[in-house]
Amino acid sequence: DAKTTQPPSMDCAEGRAANLPCNHSTISGNEYVYWYRQIHSQGPQYIIHGLKNNETNEMASLIITEDRKSSTLILPHATLRDTAVYYCIVRVFNTNAGKSTFGDGTTLTVKP
Amino acid sequence: GAVVSQHPSWVICKSGTSVKIECRSLDFQATTMFWYRQFPKQSLMLMATSNEGSKATYEQGVEKDKFLINHASLTLSTLTVTSAHPEDSSFYICSARDLSNNYGYTFGSGTRLTVV
Repeated sequence: DAKTTQPPSMDCAEGRAANLPCNHSTISGNEYVYWYRQIHSQGPQYIIHGLKNNETNEMASLIITEDRKSSTLILPHATLRDTAVYYCIVRVFNTNAGKSTFGDGTTLTVKP
Repeated sequence: GAVVSQHPSWVICKSGTSVKIECRSLDFQATTMFWYRQFPKQSLMLMATSNEGSKATYEQGVEKDKFLINHASLTLSTLTVTSAHPEDSSFYICSARDLSNNYGYTFGSGTRLTVV
């Protein structure tokens, strides 16, 4: 699985959009970009994933660059409860393969 | 959506004893489950891949005789920390994938192990 790099920390004002970048310059053609977040002392929570098209769900939007070497997770209206560590992972969308290699993630702090 | 239940959520045990952690997929079957360990302020580290009906695959540096994994059914994997020592104190997390959806892997809520 390709490695990812993320900034170690970011701050965001409550109610504003939080934009979390991720670099995955060695991503392969069949690897998807997944985003998870982990709130303190809990298991990671799935947020969103995509291959090459931008994606949106009720939690966030995912913007993937045309060359797929980077992506941005957007939380449109951050709340205090969005304070967490956000992990960007790239992996093959395979029925049996499953190793998700976690990098250090980005600690997002939403401030009032 | 897919739910993975992990039990217990926290456990304190004496040094030298063994502790079993359960990971259950509640509404789907999982032929493969994964066990992670997370130390304070660090990222998740994959320990092993648990395969239903066969031996687990351990990551480099993880002692298979110390961290026993059993995946006897399609909905249950267990991790037993044998002869636990204080350095085994950590947050253990399992994950599994519901193949019926595209949501990637679902994680359990984790188990906080403290060895005293």
